[in-house]
Amino acid sequence: RKEVEQDPGPFNVPEGATVAFNCTYSNSASQSFFWYRQDCRKEPKLLMSVYSSGNEDGRFTAQLNRASQYISLLIRDSKLSDSATYLCVVSVNYQLIWGAGTKLIIKP
Amino acid sequence: EAGVVQSPRYKIIEKKQPVAFWCNPISGHNTLYWYLQNLGQGPELLIRYENEEAVDDSQLPKDRFSAERLKGVDSTLKIQPAELGDSAVYLCASSSLAGYNEQFFGPGTRLTVL
Repeated sequence: RKEVEQDPGPFNVPEGATVAFNCTYSNSASQSFFWYRQDCRKEPKLLMSVYSSGNEDGRFTAQLNRASQYISLLIRDSKLSDSATYLCVVSVNYQLIWGAGTKLIIKP
Repeated sequence: EAGVVQSPRYKIIEKKQPVAFWCNPISGHNTLYWYLQNLGQGPELLIRYENEEAVDDSQLPKDRFSAERLKGVDSTLKIQPAELGDSAVYLCASSSLAGYNEQFFGPGTRLTVL
């Protein structure tokens, strides 16, 4: 079992729709959680950190469920520019463990 | 502010040849990472430096890979000899505090081994 698991997708979503991804992690001692975004042939960039109380940044909402060991990312009113791969990242003892990413394609 | 700089951007070599990648992190970032990323996969950590000390190199294939960060600033990653399976994108990242803060990535070096 991978330490951080994501549905690879692709998720094909019409513009304006709401889409949600989950990411599960295996180590209950995980301390910090992040969502990164990676465009095709580009480097990953931080989208948002995930806090225990959940957090929102514009159209993006991240949630953490420690009991079930998963984090989620919700994108509302999706835009064409949201098309990318979304990588879930978990920190354990200063080490970052990366998921393989979920590919999102927003269609007009 | 300048971002993480990597060179070269692309490299094509024949198997068994050596290759080296260079990275200059964001100024003031003590933590530097080298990752390998294959198509359709997330980045896989090769080595993490805190200043000039390699604090996590457990995933570095030490029979052919080596890295250094002599003055705690820029870093080089070397492969000798390269194998076909080493074809991938090699990413360098830096952060101000390991594990808790945002990592900033360079554009990567796309290596093709023929």
